[in-house]
Amino acid sequence: EPEVTQTPSHQVTQMGQEVILRCVPISNHLYFYWYRQILGQKVEFLVSFYNNEISEKSEIFDDQFSVERPDGSNFTLKIRSTKLEDSAMYFCASTEGTYEQYFGPGTRLTVT
Amino acid sequence: AQKITQTQPGMFVQEKEAVTLDCTYDTSDQSYGLFWYKQPSSGEMIFLIYQGSYDEQNATEGRYSLNFQKARKSANLVISASQLGDSAMYFCAMRESVLFGNEKLTFGTGTRLTIIP
Repeated sequence: EPEVTQTPSHQVTQMGQEVILRCVPISNHLYFYWYRQILGQKVEFLVSFYNNEISEKSEIFDDQFSVERPDGSNFTLKIRSTKLEDSAMYFCASTEGTYEQYFGPGTRLTVT
Repeated sequence: AQKITQTQPGMFVQEKEAVTLDCTYDTSDQSYGLFWYKQPSSGEMIFLIYQGSYDEQNATEGRYSLNFQKARKSANLVISASQLGDSAMYFCAMRESVLFGNEKLTFGTGTRLTIIP
C-alpha cells in the first residue's frame, strides 16, 4: 500500500540553526500539507500546497517557514532560524482530492 | 470558539467492552467532513473513519462506527469490543467547505483511551 514517508524521524538542532524536514507524498497525490503537534497538544495546521504554490497558511507559518516541492516527488518544510518553541512533531500529509488525508509517520524536531 | 471539542481528556475501559468517544463540532458550512484518527504511543496518525455532512448513513469501518447527529453537531466514535491495542490517543478532525487546493483539517484536543485487561 502506498504511504507518505518522512525523513529524518528525529532531528536535534541548536537554536538559530536552519532545518529542512523532508516528505515524499504518495505519487499520484496533488495536495500536500504540513501539520505540527507540540508534545501533548493537538495537531495544528501549518500550510497547504497545491500546483506548486501555497494554498493557505496559518498564523504559525511566519516568515521563518517555507515549503518547496523541488523535484516533483519531495515536499520540504524549511525553518530558517529555529526557536525553542519550534520543538514539535511535524507531520506531512497528502491527498489526491478524495476525503482521506494520508499522514506520514512524522519528524520529531528538538531544538536545544 | 473551538471548532472541534473533545470533552474527555482520558478514558479507561475494560477490554471487550464498547466505548464511545465524544466529539462536537462548530461550523456554518453545509458541506464538511468529519474524521477520526488514532495516534498510538509511537506517534503516527492512523486514519480510522470518515463521515461526510451529506452522508445519510453513519459510517462504519470494522469495529469502528461514527454516530453522526447532524442537528446536534456531534460525531462520536464508537469502538466495539475494545482490544488492548486500542489504547492510544484519538483525535476528531473536521474539514470544512473544500476550497480548491486546500482541504486542511482542524483537530480537537484528543482523548487518551486506555484499555484495561
